[in-house]
Amino acid sequence: GESVGLHLPTLSVQEGDNSIINCAYSNSASDYFIWYKQESGKGPQFIIDIRSNMDKRQGQRVTVLLNKTVKHLSLQIAATQPGDSAVYFCAENIGGYSTLTFGKGTMLLVSP
Amino acid sequence: NAGVMQNPRHLVRRRGQEARLRCSPMKGHSHVYWYRQLPEEGLKFMVYLQKENIIDESGMPKERFSAEFPKEGPSILRIQQVVRGDSAAYFCASSTGDREKLFFGSGTQLSVL
Repeated sequence: GESVGLHLPTLSVQEGDNSIINCAYSNSASDYFIWYKQESGKGPQFIIDIRSNMDKRQGQRVTVLLNKTVKHLSLQIAATQPGDSAVYFCAENIGGYSTLTFGKGTMLLVSP
Repeated sequence: NAGVMQNPRHLVRRRGQEARLRCSPMKGHSHVYWYRQLPEEGLKFMVYLQKENIIDESGMPKERFSAEFPKEGPSILRIQQVVRGDSAAYFCASSTGDREKLFFGSGTQLSVL
């Protein structure tokens, strides 16, 4: 289940489950969104992106859904594996030049 | 095809010293961004540069911090007279242009004693 820890929200799942990580963004003018995965001691790694003219985009085992009405973004990971354990950040781009604004992140813990 | 290269990986400084962090973007990338991350927090934008130009430095403290991306060589983030509050992970990212995805380096962990 999902819980709020001292600093980062944490989602704990079993290996093989599907995971859904949610993100609420703040600016209705944002029109480009990216999900990043960050493992301990490493830099953020690009997962998938979506532009505001789309509602859904699929990659390998990952799907991003965008609901502009409620300013909500989600990342779905199918058949979650222990290697998916990391902190996941959503980032938004608010028009103009590409200065990404990052959310606080969600820690995904996958148990074997 | 090397990714974004940052060095040093770890940097220890005493209060009052200077810290210089280096970033070489991916080949073919001319846009560089610096972000700072505190433990268990998201990345905070600091500065966005193109070759020889600072495009946006709205996230960078007005004093002690500076950044450059010269025509030749890596981008440098310079922190003068470091204080303990500067301790953080500093990440560099690069892209091919505006509104394209950013690729991040492994970061420099700065520790101020």
